[in-house]
Amino acid sequence: GENVEQHPSTLSVQEGDSAVIKCTYSDSASNYFPWYKQELGKRPQLIIDIRSNVGEKKDQRIAVTLNKTAKHFSLHITETQPEDSAVYFCAASIDDGGSQGNLIFGKGTKLSVKP
Amino acid sequence: EPEVTQTPSHQVTQMGQEVILRCVPISNHLYFYWYRQILGQKVEFLVSFYNNEISEKSEIFDDQFSVERPDGSNFTLKIRSTKLEDSAMYFCASSVGLAGYTGELFFGEGSRLTVL
Repeated sequence: GENVEQHPSTLSVQEGDSAVIKCTYSDSASNYFPWYKQELGKRPQLIIDIRSNVGEKKDQRIAVTLNKTAKHFSLHITETQPEDSAVYFCAASIDDGGSQGNLIFGKGTKLSVKP
Repeated sequence: EPEVTQTPSHQVTQMGQEVILRCVPISNHLYFYWYRQILGQKVEFLVSFYNNEISEKSEIFDDQFSVERPDGSNFTLKIRSTKLEDSAMYFCASSVGLAGYTGELFFGEGSRLTVL
């Protein structure tokens, strides 16, 4: 089955700096890669996702890149703000045109943005 | 904005007792899921449900677990005989799939289960 590895487990940056979180996946059939943000005690919330037919997607300060050959994808947050502090999870699944929700998550990265 | 709602928010139970966690998915969604998150760990897939049957389940979802959509709006997770290691936050989620497909999985706020 699919296995998703995520690094680093913790990341501390100064406000305004960039943060990069990396994930690798094992199943070459996986074609849907979302990123979720989870604040303490709250539900995971989707912040950005990418499908295997594109290599990069950007939404304001957040971008995700995908390298299908190497089976890795990364989350990039620019101009970080204290409210970006949270645990970020990458995930992978096979989108067969129906559901893509059988997500396999990475172990999470706790991002701390220091003012 | 429509939300996935879950009850109870927290349940404490004795080992060996049965527990039912309830979820109301977003009304036009077609796919329903249960995930769990042991404290401080990653979110783990348990089961997906579509068209009134299980479409996929993980190794965690063994015979002590069952899911049901009893009345067209609720989606329940039953744990027949709870063990200490079942203590976790259980998240229900739903997604549209098919027509109106957006790709986003919507999570509920979670039900924290504590087994003593």
